[in-house]
Amino acid sequence: AQSVTQLGSHVSVSEGALVLLRCNYSSSVPPYLFWYVQYPNQGLQLLLKYTTGATLVKGINGFEAEFKKSETSFHLTKPSAHMSDAAEYFCAVRAYNNAGNMLTFGGGTRLMVKP
Amino acid sequence: GAVVSQHPSRVICKSGTSVKIECRSLDFQATTMFWYRQFPKQSLMLMATSNEGSKATYEQGVEKDKFLINHASLTLSTLTVTSAHPEDSSFYICSAHDRAVLSYEQYFGPGTRLTVT
Repeated sequence: AQSVTQLGSHVSVSEGALVLLRCNYSSSVPPYLFWYVQYPNQGLQLLLKYTTGATLVKGINGFEAEFKKSETSFHLTKPSAHMSDAAEYFCAVRAYNNAGNMLTFGGGTRLMVKP
Repeated sequence: GAVVSQHPSRVICKSGTSVKIECRSLDFQATTMFWYRQFPKQSLMLMATSNEGSKATYEQGVEKDKFLINHASLTLSTLTVTSAHPEDSSFYICSAHDRAVLSYEQYFGPGTRLTVT
């Protein structure tokens, strides 16, 4: 079975500071991993994904994540936070149900950016 | 990029009535669509997986007769909340998988806020 754990339901950083959002996964098959961002009252937008190949993945808005198999982690980082980065972030892993492929989401991390 | 729309974005209905929410993939064919429910400050809960031309697969604990899902074409899936009650008030989000993309990512609609009075 596949599962995702996001450490820290709330993360607060100052504008210009490093952003680090943690994600650990459990998967019985080679994982496909995703980070999504959700702004209030909106759907989810894909930030980046890891499938195969390079373990450091760059996404939109200056975010990147590194797949570390030995640590079963896929942490999301951004060197310098911007006020517009304040949102809810979800890590997800490819999973399976009776209908086929699906995504299993972590509990989410709310990022707050202080001026 | 892949775009998924949902309609309506907000709906208020009276208890006992039914509400239909549409989910459309605008620029790609979606063999599979997903319906999620999200409570305030919580993660997404998968309700059902909808494959085009076949019956939806519901997650455990989701009432099939209450949440009717139809996926009649490669670009449209609908969720009908039947005999709605106040506890059905929630944020409903659909997503779609592009069968031409092998990475299994899902493209999400903007969500529908349902309020049952």
